[in-house]
Amino acid sequence: GEDVEQSLFLSVREGDSSVINCTYTDSSSTYLYWYKQEPGAGLQLLTYIFSNMDMKQDQRLTVLLNKKDKHLSLRIADTQTGDSAIYFCAESSTGGYNKLIFGAGTRLAVHP
Amino acid sequence: NAGVTQTPKFQVLKTGQSMTLQCAQDMNHEYMSWYRQDPGMGLRLIHYSVGAGITDQGEVPNGYNVSRSTTEDFPLRLLSAAPSQTSVYFCASSSWTSGEYYEQYFGPGTRLTVT
Repeated sequence: GEDVEQSLFLSVREGDSSVINCTYTDSSSTYLYWYKQEPGAGLQLLTYIFSNMDMKQDQRLTVLLNKKDKHLSLRIADTQTGDSAIYFCAESSTGGYNKLIFGAGTRLAVHP
Repeated sequence: NAGVTQTPKFQVLKTGQSMTLQCAQDMNHEYMSWYRQDPGMGLRLIHYSVGAGITDQGEVPNGYNVSRSTTEDFPLRLLSAAPSQTSVYFCASSSWTSGEYYEQYFGPGTRLTVT
């Protein structure tokens, strides 16, 4: 079945860039998402990318997609302490309801 | 708009007890779903609904029942709680956004412990 994998932990210094990586197995994935979960809260959509795109930029966030390698990354520029959270990669394929397959999440810790 | 609301926030059950986790949304979304979140495993889909009166199974449906009698509400029933159902449960609703993609809106979660 479909699978999404992420590294579990990333630590960065405040002001540096963070890069969170994700790989997926479903070649029919059409939409790829990044969600953010702050402590004690639900998930919040950060950004998304269609499978026919290579890159998407949204303020401090840059998403890169390598379809050949089924690799997705999220770069956060000028990382702040408020960016400390768990980041989930998720994918879905076409065909009716948009069921999401989530990775295990990457915990980002930002230190001064 | 309150968005997606879930009750209760915390619950402790004994093995064999039953209970219902409540979920409601006020965004008139047609799609609703239930996920469970376990450490190191991400979120897994339990059941989902594409509209009132229509439900279907997700990845891990065993031990759970759902119904969707209204657009707003999508309760999740645990029939006979087991320790393996200790988890954090998230309800989500979604709708086709601007003709481009689905955005899922998540509730704050219910932390369930089964002893």
